[in-house]
Amino acid sequence: DGGITQSPKYLFRKEGQNVTLSCEQNLNHDAMYWYRQDPGQGLRLIYYSQIVNDFQKGDIAEGYSVSREKKESFPLTVTSAQKNPTAFYLCASSIVSTGMPEQYFGPGTRLTVT
Amino acid sequence: AQSVTQLDSQVPVFEEAPVELRCNYSSSVSVYLFWYVQYPNQGLQLLLKYLSGSTLVKGINGFEAEFNKSQTSFHLRKPSVHISDTAEYFCAVSEGGGADGLTFGKGTHLIIQP
Repeated sequence: DGGITQSPKYLFRKEGQNVTLSCEQNLNHDAMYWYRQDPGQGLRLIYYSQIVNDFQKGDIAEGYSVSREKKESFPLTVTSAQKNPTAFYLCASSIVSTGMPEQYFGPGTRLTVT
Repeated sequence: AQSVTQLDSQVPVFEEAPVELRCNYSSSVSVYLFWYVQYPNQGLQLLLKYLSGSTLVKGINGFEAEFNKSQTSFHLRKPSVHISDTAEYFCAVSEGGGADGLTFGKGTHLIIQP
């Protein structure tokens, strides 16, 4: 089955700790994305990557970091500098070509920081 | 910069009644438009997309949407809703080639009443 996997589904951390969220895809998609979802706020873009070893900041990149060492993997680290990290995090991927702009989403990771 | 406005945060509808979820966007260039559905604690699933061509697009689960360039709208409709349609619905827009990430509205919670 092709798809996007995110693990774990629920994650709990103490304030001041860095935490890394996993995202893996076997769709052979070029681009990968991280979004943050808060109640009543829709989804906001954190980082995206169109090619291995390259990534760009989205609208709310402060306090987050990413890497793209492999085409199928795009982990997100929530650092202690992120002031309000508790949220639902969604990873997505897409084909980088004209005519196929839609993104496919993973099941999400709910992070709670106390 | 592009933006998306979903005018209703919550829409209650009786089962088997028709429904319209409203979406307006702003952009200075041509866009791609999408509707996604999200069930509780899950990722997003693509309902339908407008890329070009016919302004009426049909999607999964009996949904359709109409692109209106002059009104910069992309409203989602279904002629008869079912209890299983209860979910959060997001309108999203992408400029240009679509690889830079989507801009989402804040979502509309569709509540189906028996």
